[in-house]
Amino acid sequence: DSGVTQTPKHLITATGQRVTLRCSPRSGDLSVYWYQQSLDQGLQFLIQYYNGEERAKGNILERFSAQQFPDLHSELNLSSLELGDSALYFCASSPREKYGYTFGSGTRLTVV
Amino acid sequence: EDQVTQSPEALRLQEGESSSLNCSYTVSGLRGLFWYRQDPGKGPEFLFTLYSAGEEKEKERLKATLTKKESFLHITAPKPEDSATYLCAVQASYNQGGKLIFGQGTELSVKP
Repeated sequence: DSGVTQTPKHLITATGQRVTLRCSPRSGDLSVYWYQQSLDQGLQFLIQYYNGEERAKGNILERFSAQQFPDLHSELNLSSLELGDSALYFCASSPREKYGYTFGSGTRLTVV
Repeated sequence: EDQVTQSPEALRLQEGESSSLNCSYTVSGLRGLFWYRQDPGKGPEFLFTLYSAGEEKEKERLKATLTKKESFLHITAPKPEDSATYLCAVQASYNQGGKLIFGQGTELSVKP
């Protein structure tokens, strides 16, 4: 157990639907990062929050959004889902930005 | 554009057969270079962070080194349990936030 908790582990949904992925960072970590991993794209940075504030943004689609709550857990919302959104979604956390991240075990999203 | 290229894509070794994995990078100011190990269906596991050329770090059978253009992950006398995908990532100093840019990974298979 890495200390970063992601739920659910698996999610199967239909095209056009909306889902929410949840992440609880390691105790004491203020930064939360979201990454998407697909077979052909590798690990792609989506977005980062630091202590509740959006800190950095990658090539995150407009259909995707995220937030970090006062208790530091984070949610990634994916809407109007397409087949191509099927991937592993990882959350990671770190105490400060210069340190290596600790990744969660991921949520496998399958859009059918 | 910041870029990370890993080679080879796949590497098959016999138990005890030492080898090296390469990570070439292009980044406008390196804040840090990170190595991760990823087992199938799991989140990446942090191995090392290197900050400046000439730096080396070791952990069990793994040793990571860094130059101004590339990093090597040396595996000495590998065992079957070292089989995994090894990911390299860079963090740019100009980046606001802690975004990591990942390579595609090297899939290592160690046969007994």
